[in-house]
Amino acid sequence: GQQLNQSPQSMFIQEGEDVSMNCTSSSIFNTWLWYKQDPGEGPVLLIALYKAGELTSNGRLTAQFGITRKDSFLNISASIPSDVGIYFCAGRSARAAGNKLTFGGGTRVLVKP
Amino acid sequence: GAGVSQSPRYKVAKRGQDVALRCDPISGHVSLFWYQQALGQGPEFLTYFQNEAQLDKSGLPSDRFFAERPEGSVSTLKIQRTQQEDSAVYLCASSTPSLGTGHYEQYFGPGTRLTVT
Repeated sequence: GQQLNQSPQSMFIQEGEDVSMNCTSSSIFNTWLWYKQDPGEGPVLLIALYKAGELTSNGRLTAQFGITRKDSFLNISASIPSDVGIYFCAGRSARAAGNKLTFGGGTRVLVKP
Repeated sequence: GAGVSQSPRYKVAKRGQDVALRCDPISGHVSLFWYQQALGQGPEFLTYFQNEAQLDKSGLPSDRFFAERPEGSVSTLKIQRTQQEDSAVYLCASSTPSLGTGHYEQYFGPGTRLTVT
């Protein structure tokens, strides 16, 4: 089963709002990744984090690697309709053979009606 | 093409049938991974190849699941005697070390949605 807990499980956004989501683990990871998945497609890599405390941006997205190495968060600023989708965090352990990833359950971002 | 491709995109199988799912990784990528994604869940690791060698198959749920990559490029995931609980999206990802950083991140294909009836 999955070891990463993502929250919230779902959220509604209004255009222009800032949103954030996070991911926690019971074990240490040496890499944190954030992916976005649209319906019928595979996950697309958004941001990769390699050092504890690292803060990295990709356009309107900002992610941080927690200093305990057991958590990470993703912020989306000034959201737009195409931000809708499912966001997954993924971690890679130093002990993971071949760099396999462990994924969270996802945060579903939906548009406010 | 430039990305990872998978075929078929959709497969419906009757319980008990065997299925074969194909993955074409990004050209030159050394590592290839298979993941299973149940409805509403995140992907879960199944198995990993480095070139033609299967180095980790710890995630395969039963001996009905078998994967191969005989020439170190295209890979096939085979499921024998399919069961309803095998219904899921099967994702393939490939990676290779970045020349600049040494890190290597996984790039995913669109997946094959398997429905067992």
